[in-house]
Amino acid sequence: DIVMTQSPDSLAVSLGERATINCKSSQNILYNFDNKNYLAWYQQKPGQPPKLLIYWASTRESGVPDRFSGSGSGTDFSLTINRLQAEDVALYYCQQYYKTPPTFGQGTKVEIK
Amino acid sequence: QLQLQESGPGLVKPSETLSLTCIVSGGPISTDTYYWDWIRQPPGKGLEWVATVYNSGATYYNPSLRSRLTTSVDTAKNRFSLKVTSVTAADTAVYYCARRRPTTVTTGYFDYWGQGALVTVSS
Repeated sequence: DIVMTQSPDSLAVSLGERATINCKSSQNILYNFDNKNYLAWYQQKPGQPPKLLIYWASTRESGVPDRFSGSGSGTDFSLTINRLQAEDVALYYCQQYYKTPPTFGQGTKVEIK
Repeated sequence: QLQLQESGPGLVKPSETLSLTCIVSGGPISTDTYYWDWIRQPPGKGLEWVATVYNSGATYYNPSLRSRLTTSVDTAKNRFSLKVTSVTAADTAVYYCARRRPTTVTTGYFDYWGQGALVTVSS
């Protein structure tokens, strides 16, 4: 299985500042045929299911605020939350869908400093 | 708006069978565009993909769990189901049903999720 490793495990950011979460895959998840990175990001608030934020590493899901952005390629990816708001406090997961089974990172907890 | 809702017993005894159903509303499960998946999350831990089913009844399972899994679809009732046999404490988790946008029959990303059903395995 492809192992997804996120860093840090948690971070505290001041309101209005930027939060950056990293995700590293154990193998390349860029498919040369279509030049797409097979990576998604999810947000999970307490007591709720995960919510899809980003797919193809950088495509924002409909309705997701533009302060959320994804970047990276190959094995190294990032989720950036600009202008952090109180409602962004959550766990964030990356997920690869390059190979079966789809696998998730261990999660990164974002809190307010 | 598509909605998914899991249902099933919250407590299962060790060695018995865990059964869950996901009722889909707001859209047909018979669509050719999507797959229907199960994902679980042990308390305080990360997410694990479990299984998928297509409207044709085709199924695919996580290799690590395959021998104990059965998933099925009922297009007439717009729902799909999961059974896990011979459960142990390690199967204690919140079980989510989700809709998957496929990139292959077994990969893709998940755009709609149910609220989740906590299943505890304990005597």
